[in-house]
Amino acid sequence: EVQLVESGGGLVKPGGSLRLSCAASGFIFSRISMNWVRQAPGKGLEWVSSITNSSGYTSYADSVKGRFTISRDNAKNSLYLQMNSLRAEDTAVYYCATAKGWEWGQGTTVTVSS
Amino acid sequence: EIVLTQSPATLSLYPGERVTLSCRASQSVGTSLAWYQQKPGQPPRLLINDASDRATGISARFSASGFGTDFTLTVSRLEPGDVAVYYCQQRYDWPLTFGQGTRLEIK
Repeated sequence: EVQLVESGGGLVKPGGSLRLSCAASGFIFSRISMNWVRQAPGKGLEWVSSITNSSGYTSYADSVKGRFTISRDNAKNSLYLQMNSLRAEDTAVYYCATAKGWEWGQGTTVTVSS
Repeated sequence: EIVLTQSPATLSLYPGERVTLSCRASQSVGTSLAWYQQKPGQPPRLLINDASDRATGISARFSASGFGTDFTLTVSRLEPGDVAVYYCQQRYDWPLTFGQGTRLEIK
């Protein structure tokens, strides 16, 4: 059974940084591209970033380009999202999701506020 | 960016009824369209891949069709457990985009 567990969310001031993690199990992580998707409070889903299985290709939404960096460690079955220069509009639940069956974790909450 | 427009924004029907949700793309996405169900307090769950293929474990009450720019998701014999927001997503081009969602309520 695919399991994805996000962590690293919290309260951060505008301009601050956070690193989200997603621990994966139940599938061969190194073979699957991965995604981050976020959902602001009471709003819809917004794709944030994707990374191929070997990290050879990454893609970002314009809203986070230059501020967020997606990465992965296949040896640790883990996906990461480094978030810098955070803004109030980055406040959301952040989900990791596989790019094959689009299984999702439960999400981790990021709040950007002074 | 490919914009997905879902309609209606909200639906309210009785148990046992059949409902059709719409998703329209601003340009052709072929069959690279998925549907998700998100219940309150839960992450989205994949219902449909490639415009019409039910994901593993999804009830046959959920069916979908479409190609190009116009897509539909049909839920037959509505049950109270179908209360959720339903999203479409295109995977045809970057950036991946979602529709704004259709909220389904049961009377």
